[in-house]
Amino acid sequence: GENVEQHPSTLSVQEGDSAVIKCTYSDSASNYFPWYKQELGKGPQLIIDIRSNVGEKKDQRIAVTLNKTAKHFSLHITETQPEDSAVYFCAARRASTGNQFYFGTGTSLTVIP
Amino acid sequence: NAGVTQTPKFRVLKTGQSMTLLCAQDMNHEYMYWYRQDPGMGLRLIHYSVGEGTTAKGEVPDGYNVSRLKKQNFLLGLESAAPSQTSVYFCASSYGVAGVYEQYFGPGTRLTVT
Repeated sequence: GENVEQHPSTLSVQEGDSAVIKCTYSDSASNYFPWYKQELGKGPQLIIDIRSNVGEKKDQRIAVTLNKTAKHFSLHITETQPEDSAVYFCAARRASTGNQFYFGTGTSLTVIP
Repeated sequence: NAGVTQTPKFRVLKTGQSMTLLCAQDMNHEYMYWYRQDPGMGLRLIHYSVGEGTTAKGEVPDGYNVSRLKKQNFLLGLESAAPSQTSVYFCASSYGVAGVYEQYFGPGTRLTVT
Protein backbone atom coordinates (compact mmCIF):
# COMPACT_ATOMS: atom_id res chain seq x y z
CA GLY A 1 0.00 0.00 0.00
CA GLU A 2 0.89 3.67 -0.08
CA ASN A 3 3.15 5.19 2.55
CA VAL A 4 3.29 8.95 2.96
CA GLU A 5 6.02 10.44 5.14
CA GLN A 6 5.93 14.08 6.19
CA HIS A 7 8.71 16.28 7.66
CA PRO A 8 9.21 18.13 9.86
CA SER A 9 6.65 17.33 12.54
CA THR A 10 7.01 20.80 14.05
CA LEU A 11 8.21 24.05 12.49
CA SER A 12 8.62 27.52 13.97
CA VAL A 13 9.36 30.55 11.79
CA GLN A 14 9.47 34.29 12.30
CA GLU A 15 6.67 36.29 10.76
CA GLY A 16 7.62 37.22 7.21
CA ASP A 17 9.95 34.26 6.72
CA SER A 18 9.21 31.27 4.47
CA ALA A 19 8.13 27.81 5.60
CA VAL A 20 8.69 24.56 3.71
CA ILE A 21 7.08 21.21 4.48
CA LYS A 22 8.11 18.06 2.64
CA CYS A 23 6.36 14.77 1.90
CA THR A 24 7.42 11.58 0.19
CA TYR A 25 5.21 8.81 -1.17
CA SER A 26 5.85 5.25 -2.21
CA ASP A 27 3.24 4.38 -4.87
CA SER A 28 4.30 5.58 -8.31
CA ALA A 29 0.67 5.27 -9.45
CA SER A 30 -0.51 8.06 -7.13
CA ASN A 31 -1.77 10.92 -9.29
CA TYR A 32 -3.10 13.67 -7.03
CA PHE A 33 -1.52 15.35 -4.02
CA PRO A 34 -3.54 17.75 -1.84
CA TRP A 35 -2.42 19.81 1.12
CA TYR A 36 -4.74 20.51 4.03
CA LYS A 37 -4.63 23.12 6.78
CA GLN A 38 -6.21 22.21 10.11
CA GLU A 39 -6.84 24.85 12.74
CA LEU A 40 -7.42 23.91 16.35
CA GLY A 41 -10.79 22.24 16.87
CA LYS A 42 -11.69 22.27 13.18
CA GLY A 43 -11.67 19.86 10.27
CA PRO A 44 -8.95 19.82 7.58
CA GLN A 45 -9.40 22.41 4.85
CA LEU A 46 -7.95 21.99 1.37
CA ILE A 47 -5.53 24.84 0.62
CA ILE A 48 -3.77 23.71 -2.55
CA ASP A 49 -3.35 20.57 -4.64
CA ILE A 50 -1.28 19.31 -7.54
CA ARG A 51 -1.73 16.59 -10.13
CA SER A 52 0.94 14.23 -11.33
CA ASN A 53 1.19 15.87 -14.76
CA VAL A 54 2.20 19.24 -13.22
CA GLY A 55 5.51 20.16 -11.59
CA GLU A 56 4.52 23.30 -9.71
CA LYS A 57 1.41 25.23 -8.75
CA LYS A 58 1.12 28.57 -7.01
CA ASP A 59 -1.73 30.40 -5.28
CA GLN A 60 -0.72 33.77 -3.84
CA ARG A 61 1.66 33.02 -0.93
CA ILE A 62 1.31 29.26 -1.20
CA ALA A 63 3.02 26.98 -3.70
CA VAL A 64 3.39 23.25 -4.13
CA THR A 65 6.10 21.45 -6.09
CA LEU A 66 6.10 17.83 -7.24
CA ASN A 67 9.04 15.65 -8.25
CA LYS A 68 7.54 12.46 -9.67
CA THR A 69 10.90 10.82 -10.26
CA ALA A 70 11.95 11.24 -6.63
CA LYS A 71 8.36 10.75 -5.39
CA HIS A 72 8.29 13.81 -3.23
CA PHE A 73 6.24 16.97 -3.05
CA SER A 74 6.58 20.10 -0.95
CA LEU A 75 4.47 22.94 0.38
CA HIS A 76 6.01 26.41 0.35
CA ILE A 77 4.50 29.32 2.30
CA THR A 78 6.12 32.71 1.74
CA GLU A 79 5.77 35.89 3.81
CA THR A 80 4.28 33.91 6.68
CA GLN A 81 1.71 35.53 8.94
CA PRO A 82 0.50 34.55 12.44
CA GLU A 83 -2.78 33.27 10.93
CA ASP A 84 -0.75 30.67 9.01
CA SER A 85 -0.15 28.92 12.35
CA ALA A 86 -1.91 25.53 12.12
CA VAL A 87 -1.29 21.85 11.44
CA TYR A 88 -0.65 21.04 7.78
CA PHE A 89 -1.23 17.60 6.24
CA CYS A 90 -0.12 16.25 2.91
CA ALA A 91 -1.89 13.37 1.19
CA ALA A 92 -1.50 11.13 -1.84
CA ARG A 93 -4.39 9.71 -3.78
CA ARG A 94 -4.37 5.97 -4.23
CA ALA A 95 -4.76 4.54 -7.70
CA SER A 96 -7.75 2.45 -6.57
CA THR A 97 -11.52 2.60 -6.28
CA GLY A 98 -13.29 5.06 -4.05
CA ASN A 99 -10.96 8.05 -4.42
CA GLN A 100 -8.98 6.98 -1.35
CA PHE A 101 -6.11 8.91 0.16
CA TYR A 102 -3.16 8.22 2.41
CA PHE A 103 -2.25 11.11 4.72
CA GLY A 104 1.01 12.26 6.20
CA THR A 105 1.33 12.59 9.97
CA GLY A 106 1.10 16.39 9.97
CA THR A 107 3.35 19.41 10.59
CA SER A 108 2.55 21.87 13.35
CA LEU A 109 3.56 25.30 12.06
CA THR A 110 3.98 28.20 14.45
CA VAL A 111 4.55 31.69 13.07
CA ILE A 112 6.13 33.92 15.70
CA PRO A 113 5.06 37.58 15.50
CA ASN B 1 -24.97 25.49 1.83
CA ALA B 2 -23.68 23.93 5.06
CA GLY B 3 -21.14 21.57 3.41
CA VAL B 4 -20.33 18.58 5.62
CA THR B 5 -21.84 18.50 9.10
CA GLN B 6 -21.29 16.03 11.94
CA THR B 7 -23.25 15.25 15.08
CA PRO B 8 -22.50 15.12 17.92
CA LYS B 9 -19.44 17.35 18.39
CA PHE B 10 -18.37 15.67 21.64
CA ARG B 11 -19.27 12.43 23.36
CA VAL B 12 -18.05 10.44 26.35
CA LEU B 13 -18.83 6.71 26.45
CA LYS B 14 -18.15 3.96 28.93
CA THR B 15 -16.46 0.79 27.72
CA GLY B 16 -19.02 -1.52 26.13
CA GLN B 17 -21.56 1.18 25.28
CA SER B 18 -22.70 1.79 21.73
CA MET B 19 -23.27 4.94 19.74
CA THR B 20 -23.79 6.25 16.22
CA LEU B 21 -22.08 9.23 14.64
CA LEU B 22 -23.99 11.02 11.92
CA CYS B 23 -22.49 12.73 8.90
CA ALA B 24 -24.55 14.78 6.46
CA GLN B 25 -23.56 16.59 3.27
CA ASP B 26 -25.60 18.91 1.07
CA MET B 27 -23.29 19.02 -1.95
CA ASN B 28 -24.82 16.01 -3.73
CA HIS B 29 -21.51 14.16 -3.40
CA GLU B 30 -21.46 10.52 -4.41
CA TYR B 31 -18.56 9.42 -2.18
CA MET B 32 -18.35 9.67 1.61
CA TYR B 33 -15.67 8.68 4.11
CA TRP B 34 -15.04 8.18 7.80
CA TYR B 35 -11.56 8.85 9.23
CA ARG B 36 -10.08 8.79 12.68
CA GLN B 37 -7.32 11.14 13.77
CA ASP B 38 -4.93 10.21 16.54
CA PRO B 39 -1.91 12.17 17.78
CA GLY B 40 1.13 11.62 15.60
CA MET B 41 -0.72 9.33 13.17
CA GLY B 42 -2.48 11.63 10.77
CA LEU B 43 -5.84 10.63 9.32
CA ARG B 44 -6.66 6.97 8.81
CA LEU B 45 -9.58 5.73 6.72
CA ILE B 46 -12.11 3.59 8.60
CA HIS B 47 -14.84 2.96 6.01
CA TYR B 48 -16.03 4.63 2.86
CA SER B 49 -18.97 4.60 0.46
CA VAL B 50 -19.06 5.13 -3.29
CA GLY B 51 -22.81 5.62 -3.43
CA GLU B 52 -26.14 5.17 -1.71
CA GLY B 53 -26.50 1.65 -0.37
CA THR B 54 -22.76 0.82 -0.70
CA THR B 55 -20.01 0.59 1.90
CA ALA B 56 -16.42 -0.66 1.89
CA LYS B 57 -13.62 -1.17 4.40
CA GLY B 58 -10.75 1.22 4.70
CA GLU B 59 -7.46 0.96 6.52
CA VAL B 60 -8.74 0.48 10.10
CA PRO B 61 -12.31 -0.95 9.96
CA ASP B 62 -12.31 -3.28 13.00
CA GLY B 63 -14.82 -2.36 15.70
CA TYR B 64 -16.86 -0.07 13.44
CA ASN B 65 -19.85 -0.46 11.16
CA VAL B 66 -21.33 1.97 8.67
CA SER B 67 -24.48 2.51 6.67
CA ARG B 68 -25.40 4.73 3.72
CA LEU B 69 -29.18 4.49 3.41
CA LYS B 70 -29.50 7.97 1.92
CA LYS B 71 -27.07 9.67 -0.43
CA GLN B 72 -26.60 12.66 1.86
CA ASN B 73 -25.99 10.70 5.08
CA PHE B 74 -23.23 8.36 6.24
CA LEU B 75 -23.48 6.78 9.68
CA LEU B 76 -20.62 5.36 11.73
CA GLY B 77 -21.52 2.93 14.49
CA LEU B 78 -19.59 1.60 17.45
CA GLU B 79 -21.36 -1.49 18.80
CA SER B 80 -19.19 -2.01 21.89
CA ALA B 81 -16.87 0.91 22.52
CA ALA B 82 -13.29 0.32 23.69
CA PRO B 83 -10.74 2.81 25.10
CA SER B 84 -8.68 2.30 21.93
CA GLN B 85 -11.50 4.01 20.02
CA THR B 86 -10.89 7.28 21.84
CA SER B 87 -10.14 9.61 18.95
CA VAL B 88 -11.35 12.48 16.83
CA TYR B 89 -13.57 11.28 13.99
CA PHE B 90 -13.88 13.14 10.72
CA CYS B 91 -16.34 12.64 7.93
CA ALA B 92 -15.53 13.72 4.37
CA SER B 93 -17.19 13.67 0.98
CA SER B 94 -16.22 14.00 -2.67
CA TYR B 95 -17.96 14.12 -6.05
CA GLY B 96 -16.99 10.69 -7.34
CA VAL B 97 -16.52 12.06 -10.84
CA ALA B 98 -13.49 11.02 -12.87
CA GLY B 99 -10.76 13.61 -12.49
CA VAL B 100 -12.48 15.46 -9.63
CA TYR B 101 -10.71 14.32 -6.48
CA GLU B 102 -11.13 16.99 -3.81
CA GLN B 103 -12.40 15.79 -0.43
CA TYR B 104 -14.32 18.12 1.87
CA PHE B 105 -14.20 17.53 5.61
CA GLY B 106 -16.62 18.05 8.44
CA PRO B 107 -15.70 19.72 11.76
CA GLY B 108 -15.11 16.45 13.62
CA THR B 109 -16.48 14.52 16.61
CA ARG B 110 -14.30 14.12 19.68
CA LEU B 111 -15.03 10.77 21.31
CA THR B 112 -13.67 9.64 24.66
CA VAL B 113 -14.17 6.07 25.86
CA THR B 114 -13.50 5.50 29.55
